[in-house]
Amino acid sequence: GAGVSQSPSNKVTEKGKDVELRCDPISGHTALYWYRQSLGQGLEFLIYFQGNSAPDKSGLPSDRFSAERTGGSVSTLTIQRTQQEDSAVYLCASSLATGQLFFGSGTQLSVL
Amino acid sequence: GESVGLHLPTLSVQEGDNSIINCAYSNSASDYFIWYKQESGKGPQFIIDIRSNMDKRQGQRVTVLLNKTVKHLSLQIAATQPGDSAVYFCAENPSGGYNKLIFGAGTRLAVHP
Repeated sequence: GAGVSQSPSNKVTEKGKDVELRCDPISGHTALYWYRQSLGQGLEFLIYFQGNSAPDKSGLPSDRFSAERTGGSVSTLTIQRTQQEDSAVYLCASSLATGQLFFGSGTQLSVL
Repeated sequence: GESVGLHLPTLSVQEGDNSIINCAYSNSASDYFIWYKQESGKGPQFIIDIRSNMDKRQGQRVTVLLNKTVKHLSLQIAATQPGDSAVYFCAENPSGGYNKLIFGAGTRLAVHP
């Protein structure tokens, strides 16, 4: 596609529910990143994919967070048993192997 | 630990003036630095980058300066326009290889007519 696409753009959920956030990277980009941005804060690294492998998961805050990437393209970030502190904007970015990151517009997650 | 921070959380300028946004980084091993612009409701957008073997790089209306001695990075915007109003983030890549970027908290630039 023309840019990184994320869906949904907004998600409101109840505490304890599971959510799935989707990222469609730019076609041909082998690297994919998930970041989290809390209100008024900078971006916090979560996980990095090269192809379908995730050599760096060090930023995932707890075992409630997981991510996968299939076909070297679409990625899904799953948050289980959501908590209020999970409320944030979740941003996905893609790049060629080591090139410039292109960000999507993010998913605004609100946990009530 | 590794961190990237900004001196000024909010910067207000008059249209047509030059803007300077500053950033301090702590990891002397970082070899790549980037400035991003984020408008409301959008993801960060690349503005300009610089590698550690340079101390200055210019783009269209923007200049990035890198002072490795004091671990300081700045973004200069010439003739600031209302469309420049946004939050600006500096980011560093301390790891080499892939872009595991560490971002600062951001500076909001407000341009007044």
